[in-house]
Amino acid sequence: GNSVTQMEGPVTLSEEAFLTINCTYTATGYPSLFWYVQYPGEGLQLLLKATKADDKGSNKGFEATYRKETTSFHLEKGSVQVSDSAVYFCALPQGAGGTSYGKLTFGQGTILTVHP
Amino acid sequence: EAGVTQFPSHSVIEKGQTVTLRCDPISGHDNLYWYRRVMGKEIKFLLHFVKESKQDESGMPNNRFLAERTGGTYSTLKVQPAELEDSGVYFCASSRQGGGTEAFFGQGTRLTVV
Repeated sequence: GNSVTQMEGPVTLSEEAFLTINCTYTATGYPSLFWYVQYPGEGLQLLLKATKADDKGSNKGFEATYRKETTSFHLEKGSVQVSDSAVYFCALPQGAGGTSYGKLTFGQGTILTVHP
Repeated sequence: EAGVTQFPSHSVIEKGQTVTLRCDPISGHDNLYWYRRVMGKEIKFLLHFVKESKQDESGMPNNRFLAERTGGTYSTLKVQPAELEDSGVYFCASSRQGGGTEAFFGQGTRLTVV
Protein backbone atom coordinates (compact mmCIF):
# COMPACT_ATOMS: atom_id res chain seq x y z
CA GLY A 1 0.00 0.00 0.00
CA ASN A 2 0.88 3.67 -0.09
CA SER A 3 3.43 4.87 2.44
CA VAL A 4 5.24 8.04 3.42
CA THR A 5 8.58 8.66 5.09
CA GLN A 6 9.09 11.96 6.83
CA MET A 7 12.31 13.38 8.16
CA GLU A 8 12.72 12.90 11.84
CA GLY A 9 12.76 15.90 14.12
CA PRO A 10 12.62 17.81 16.19
CA VAL A 11 13.68 20.85 14.20
CA THR A 12 14.71 23.99 16.05
CA LEU A 13 15.24 27.22 14.15
CA SER A 14 15.66 30.91 14.81
CA GLU A 15 13.08 33.31 13.48
CA GLU A 16 13.56 34.18 9.79
CA ALA A 17 15.55 31.01 9.11
CA PHE A 18 14.86 28.81 6.08
CA LEU A 19 12.87 25.65 6.70
CA THR A 20 12.87 22.33 4.87
CA ILE A 21 11.07 19.24 6.09
CA ASN A 22 11.66 16.25 3.86
CA CYS A 23 8.94 13.86 2.79
CA THR A 24 9.18 10.97 0.36
CA TYR A 25 6.43 8.60 -0.61
CA THR A 26 5.72 5.21 -2.15
CA ALA A 27 2.46 4.91 -3.99
CA THR A 28 0.51 3.21 -6.72
CA GLY A 29 -0.14 5.75 -9.41
CA TYR A 30 0.01 9.44 -8.68
CA PRO A 31 -2.10 10.23 -5.65
CA SER A 32 -2.66 13.66 -4.18
CA LEU A 33 -0.16 14.68 -1.53
CA PHE A 34 -0.78 16.72 1.60
CA TRP A 35 0.90 18.55 4.42
CA TYR A 36 -1.08 18.85 7.66
CA VAL A 37 -0.16 20.99 10.64
CA GLN A 38 -1.11 20.74 14.30
CA TYR A 39 -0.57 23.92 16.29
CA PRO A 40 -0.35 23.61 20.09
CA GLY A 41 -3.77 22.86 21.58
CA GLU A 42 -5.48 22.61 18.21
CA GLY A 43 -6.57 19.91 15.80
CA LEU A 44 -4.97 18.84 12.55
CA GLN A 45 -5.38 21.35 9.75
CA LEU A 46 -4.72 20.92 6.08
CA LEU A 47 -1.80 23.23 5.31
CA LEU A 48 -1.44 22.61 1.59
CA LYS A 49 -1.90 19.99 -1.06
CA ALA A 50 -0.88 19.07 -4.61
CA THR A 51 -3.07 16.90 -6.78
CA LYS A 52 -0.74 15.99 -9.63
CA ALA A 53 2.91 15.77 -10.58
CA ASP A 54 4.79 19.09 -10.76
CA ASP A 55 2.00 20.89 -8.92
CA LYS A 56 3.12 23.28 -6.21
CA GLY A 57 0.93 23.62 -3.15
CA SER A 58 1.28 26.80 -1.13
CA ASN A 59 -0.27 28.43 1.91
CA LYS A 60 0.85 30.82 4.68
CA GLY A 61 4.27 31.16 3.05
CA PHE A 62 4.82 27.41 2.95
CA GLU A 63 5.38 25.59 -0.33
CA ALA A 64 5.77 21.99 -1.46
CA THR A 65 6.26 20.67 -5.00
CA TYR A 66 5.04 17.26 -6.11
CA ARG A 67 8.13 15.60 -7.64
CA LYS A 68 7.34 12.26 -9.21
CA GLU A 69 10.96 11.73 -10.37
CA THR A 70 12.19 11.71 -6.79
CA THR A 71 8.84 10.71 -5.21
CA SER A 72 9.15 13.65 -2.87
CA PHE A 73 6.98 16.42 -1.45
CA HIS A 74 9.32 18.46 0.71
CA LEU A 75 7.88 21.32 2.74
CA GLU A 76 9.71 24.65 2.60
CA LYS A 77 9.37 28.14 3.97
CA GLY A 78 11.79 30.94 3.31
CA SER A 79 11.47 32.75 6.63
CA VAL A 80 9.86 31.04 9.60
CA GLN A 81 8.11 32.83 12.44
CA VAL A 82 7.60 31.89 16.07
CA SER A 83 3.94 31.28 15.24
CA ASP A 84 4.97 28.48 12.85
CA SER A 85 5.96 26.32 15.82
CA ALA A 86 3.84 23.21 15.43
CA VAL A 87 3.91 19.56 14.37
CA TYR A 88 3.91 18.98 10.62
CA PHE A 89 2.66 15.79 8.96
CA CYS A 90 3.10 14.63 5.39
CA ALA A 91 0.21 12.48 4.13
CA LEU A 92 -1.32 10.77 1.13
CA PRO A 93 -4.51 8.81 0.50
CA GLN A 94 -4.39 5.11 1.20
CA GLY A 95 -4.86 2.60 -1.57
CA ALA A 96 -4.63 2.72 -5.34
CA GLY A 97 -6.44 5.57 -7.01
CA GLY A 98 -6.13 7.69 -3.93
CA THR A 99 -9.32 9.67 -4.28
CA SER A 100 -10.45 9.33 -0.69
CA TYR A 101 -9.01 12.31 1.12
CA GLY A 102 -10.34 11.03 4.42
CA LYS A 103 -8.52 7.70 4.59
CA LEU A 104 -4.94 8.87 4.77
CA THR A 105 -1.50 7.49 5.48
CA PHE A 106 0.55 9.91 7.59
CA GLY A 107 4.21 10.34 8.29
CA GLN A 108 5.38 10.32 11.88
CA GLY A 109 5.33 14.08 12.20
CA THR A 110 8.07 16.65 12.62
CA ILE A 111 8.07 18.98 15.60
CA LEU A 112 9.17 22.48 14.61
CA THR A 113 10.18 24.98 17.26
CA VAL A 114 11.03 28.53 16.21
CA HIS A 115 12.83 30.79 18.68
CA PRO A 116 12.72 34.60 18.57
CA GLU B 1 -20.02 26.53 10.80
CA ALA B 2 -18.88 24.48 13.77
CA GLY B 3 -15.89 22.24 13.24
CA VAL B 4 -15.37 18.66 14.29
CA THR B 5 -15.72 18.41 18.05
CA GLN B 6 -14.29 15.70 20.26
CA PHE B 7 -14.99 14.89 23.89
CA PRO B 8 -13.27 14.68 26.26
CA SER B 9 -10.07 16.50 25.41
CA HIS B 10 -8.15 14.45 27.95
CA SER B 11 -8.87 11.21 29.76
CA VAL B 12 -6.77 9.35 32.30
CA ILE B 13 -8.00 5.89 33.24
CA GLU B 14 -6.61 2.82 34.89
CA LYS B 15 -5.76 -0.33 33.03
CA GLY B 16 -8.84 -2.53 32.77
CA GLN B 17 -11.33 0.31 32.86
CA THR B 18 -13.63 1.39 30.06
CA VAL B 19 -13.46 4.68 28.23
CA THR B 20 -15.77 6.14 25.61
CA LEU B 21 -14.65 8.86 23.25
CA ARG B 22 -17.12 10.96 21.35
CA CYS B 23 -16.90 12.76 18.02
CA ASP B 24 -19.38 15.24 16.60
CA PRO B 25 -18.69 15.73 12.90
CA ILE B 26 -19.46 18.80 10.86
CA SER B 27 -23.15 18.90 10.08
CA GLY B 28 -23.95 17.32 6.75
CA HIS B 29 -20.74 15.31 6.55
CA ASP B 30 -21.57 11.70 5.77
CA ASN B 31 -18.00 10.46 6.12
CA LEU B 32 -16.51 10.07 9.57
CA TYR B 33 -13.05 8.72 10.32
CA TRP B 34 -11.20 7.72 13.46
CA TYR B 35 -7.42 7.85 13.74
CA ARG B 36 -4.93 7.25 16.52
CA ARG B 37 -1.46 8.56 17.18
CA VAL B 38 0.64 6.63 19.64
CA MET B 39 3.27 8.84 21.24
CA GLY B 40 5.79 10.13 18.72
CA LYS B 41 4.67 7.86 15.93
CA GLU B 42 2.58 8.29 12.82
CA ILE B 43 -1.14 8.91 12.84
CA LYS B 44 -2.86 5.66 11.93
CA PHE B 45 -6.26 5.13 10.39
CA LEU B 46 -8.70 3.12 12.51
CA LEU B 47 -12.02 3.11 10.67
CA HIS B 48 -14.41 4.90 8.37
CA PHE B 49 -18.15 5.40 8.61
CA VAL B 50 -20.43 6.43 5.78
CA LYS B 51 -23.48 7.69 7.59
CA GLU B 52 -24.23 4.97 10.14
CA SER B 53 -22.50 2.15 8.27
CA LYS B 54 -18.94 0.98 8.83
CA GLN B 55 -17.29 1.28 5.43
CA ASP B 56 -13.84 0.19 6.49
CA GLU B 57 -12.62 -0.94 9.89
CA SER B 58 -9.35 -2.44 8.73
CA GLY B 59 -7.31 -0.30 11.11
CA MET B 60 -9.04 -1.29 14.33
CA PRO B 61 -6.32 -2.89 16.47
CA ASN B 62 -8.40 -5.57 18.22
CA ASN B 63 -11.85 -6.40 19.54
CA ARG B 64 -11.42 -4.25 22.63
CA PHE B 65 -12.28 -1.31 20.39
CA LEU B 66 -15.89 -0.71 19.40
CA ALA B 67 -17.03 2.19 17.25
CA GLU B 68 -20.60 3.22 16.65
CA ARG B 69 -22.38 5.95 14.78
CA THR B 70 -26.02 5.84 15.67
CA GLY B 71 -28.27 7.68 13.26
CA GLY B 72 -25.34 8.74 11.17
CA THR B 73 -24.59 11.75 13.34
CA TYR B 74 -22.09 11.64 16.18
CA SER B 75 -19.80 8.67 16.75
CA THR B 76 -18.39 6.97 19.81
CA LEU B 77 -15.27 4.89 20.20
CA LYS B 78 -15.25 2.63 23.22
CA VAL B 79 -12.18 0.90 24.57
CA GLN B 80 -13.00 -1.97 26.92
CA PRO B 81 -10.96 -3.01 28.77
CA ALA B 82 -8.25 -0.43 28.26
CA GLU B 83 -4.60 -1.51 28.15
CA LEU B 84 -1.44 0.54 28.60
CA GLU B 85 -0.65 0.42 24.87
CA ASP B 86 -3.95 2.12 24.08
CA SER B 87 -2.53 5.42 25.30
CA GLY B 88 -2.28 8.05 22.61
CA VAL B 89 -4.22 10.77 20.87
CA TYR B 90 -7.40 9.77 19.10
CA PHE B 91 -8.46 11.98 16.22
CA CYS B 92 -11.77 12.16 14.46
CA ALA B 93 -12.31 13.63 11.01
CA SER B 94 -15.29 14.18 8.77
CA SER B 95 -15.88 15.01 5.12
CA ARG B 96 -18.66 15.38 2.61
CA GLN B 97 -19.55 12.58 0.25
CA GLY B 98 -17.65 12.23 -2.98
CA GLY B 99 -14.03 11.70 -3.90
CA GLY B 100 -11.49 14.43 -3.51
CA THR B 101 -13.21 16.18 -0.64
CA GLU B 102 -11.10 17.47 2.22
CA ALA B 103 -11.38 15.85 5.61
CA PHE B 104 -11.61 18.18 8.61
CA PHE B 105 -10.07 17.01 11.85
CA GLY B 106 -11.00 17.55 15.46
CA GLN B 107 -8.62 18.53 18.23
CA GLY B 108 -8.20 14.97 19.36
CA THR B 109 -8.69 13.18 22.68
CA ARG B 110 -5.54 12.43 24.62
CA LEU B 111 -6.03 9.09 26.35
CA THR B 112 -3.64 7.98 29.06
CA VAL B 113 -3.97 4.50 30.51
CA VAL B 114 -2.06 4.01 33.76
